[in-house]
Amino acid sequence: EAGVAQSPRYKIIEKRQSVAFWCNPISGHATLYWYQQILGQGPKLLIQFQNNGVVDDSQLPKDRFSAERLKGVDSTLKIQPAKLEDSAVYLCASSVTGTGDVSDTQYFGPGTRLTVL
Amino acid sequence: GIQVEQSPPDLILQEGANSTLRCNFSDSVNNLQWFHQNPWGQLINLFYIPSGTKQNGRLSATTVATERYSLLYISSSQTTDSGVYFCKAGTYKYIFGTGTRLKVLA
Repeated sequence: EAGVAQSPRYKIIEKRQSVAFWCNPISGHATLYWYQQILGQGPKLLIQFQNNGVVDDSQLPKDRFSAERLKGVDSTLKIQPAKLEDSAVYLCASSVTGTGDVSDTQYFGPGTRLTVL
Repeated sequence: GIQVEQSPPDLILQEGANSTLRCNFSDSVNNLQWFHQNPWGQLINLFYIPSGTKQNGRLSATTVATERYSLLYISSSQTTDSGVYFCKAGTYKYIFGTGTRLKVLA
């Protein structure tokens, strides 16, 4: 079974530029998560999708971050414009359901390391 | 919201030693997972364990939900166990703990 795929793996941009990340979850997983992990900290949830609907985006800085999962499969996360403090690893995860039980076990992709100069 | 704290923050072991990592959470949870983040940044599932005890090789975990803590045991540690161990806990909304950074010396 293929895991969660993410691209690119690394991205370096200058502040005020735009950037987009892509995630393809495990086949059949209805729930998709985007996390931001700043160096030395645990991952912080940015947005959770259930199929193509948003379940939780309470910690997404909506003035600059946007995410979509149009067909309920893969997803993109965009930052526009980027700030220095956006430098982090952006992790995508998926789970079978969002029900909180064992079927909600999250599987993570390798992440995209973003550096904003 | 729920608070998740892990201890110790850092741990250095000699190869072959045993260790216990702790995760405390401030509210009842329906989901608790332990992850290992390897030096390349990949988060790897270790256990889904909202209650009870599980074992997988040299690793085992116990969650005492009524007392709001979970323990991860690593026995006969190996250098490949190095990295950061996170617990993630919550009920529909989940929070990652602060992590325990483990270094195993050869």
